[in-house]
Amino acid sequence: GAGVSQSPSNKVTEKGKDVELRCDPISGHTALYWYRQSLGQGLEFLIYFQGNSAPDKSGLPSDRFSAERTGGSVSTLTIQRTQQEDSAVYLCASSLSRAGDNEQFFGPGTRLTVL
Amino acid sequence: QQQVKQSPQSLIVQKGGIPIINCAYENTAFDYFPWYQQFPGKGPALLIAIRPDVSEKKEGRFTISFNKSAKQFSLHIMDSQPGDSATYFCAASNSGNTGKLIFGQGTTLQVKP
Repeated sequence: GAGVSQSPSNKVTEKGKDVELRCDPISGHTALYWYRQSLGQGLEFLIYFQGNSAPDKSGLPSDRFSAERTGGSVSTLTIQRTQQEDSAVYLCASSLSRAGDNEQFFGPGTRLTVL
Repeated sequence: QQQVKQSPQSLIVQKGGIPIINCAYENTAFDYFPWYQQFPGKGPALLIAIRPDVSEKKEGRFTISFNKSAKQFSLHIMDSQPGDSATYFCAASNSGNTGKLIFGQGTTLQVKP
């Protein structure tokens, strides 16, 4: 595809359920980032993948959050036992390597609503 | 020390006006400062970026001014148009690290016709 794609675009779930959010980065981009955008807030870094290196998980808010990246391409963000405060837009971005001079291209996001 | 503070939270200008959005940072290890534009329902898109070795960068109607000693940078939009109405985010990163972006809180800009 031409850009970063994310699915689903919207997800409504009940408190306590697990959810999986998917990100397809731009082909050839080795760096992948997940961010969270809460209502009226800026974007908050969650996790970073670079090639086969160990991911930087420093932004994950709790151990209910995890992510993986298979084959250096597609990434899945999993939230276990969802809480209402998890409601937000989850954004994925990719870049050629790491963002210094390399632009991060964002997907359209997945809007998660936890009832 | 990881914060980027952005102001104002919202801004309304008339068409042709020059809105200015300001950001300040603390971490002197930051060396890449992009501005992103976000329309409702869309992901952010890079507008313009600057590194601290220059004090100003201009691309079309968008200009970044950078003051390294004050640890501040700002976005100016010349001859603003209604189509510029969007949310603008400043950000900063340390390119020697993971490159993760630390974002400001965002500024919602409305340009009235």
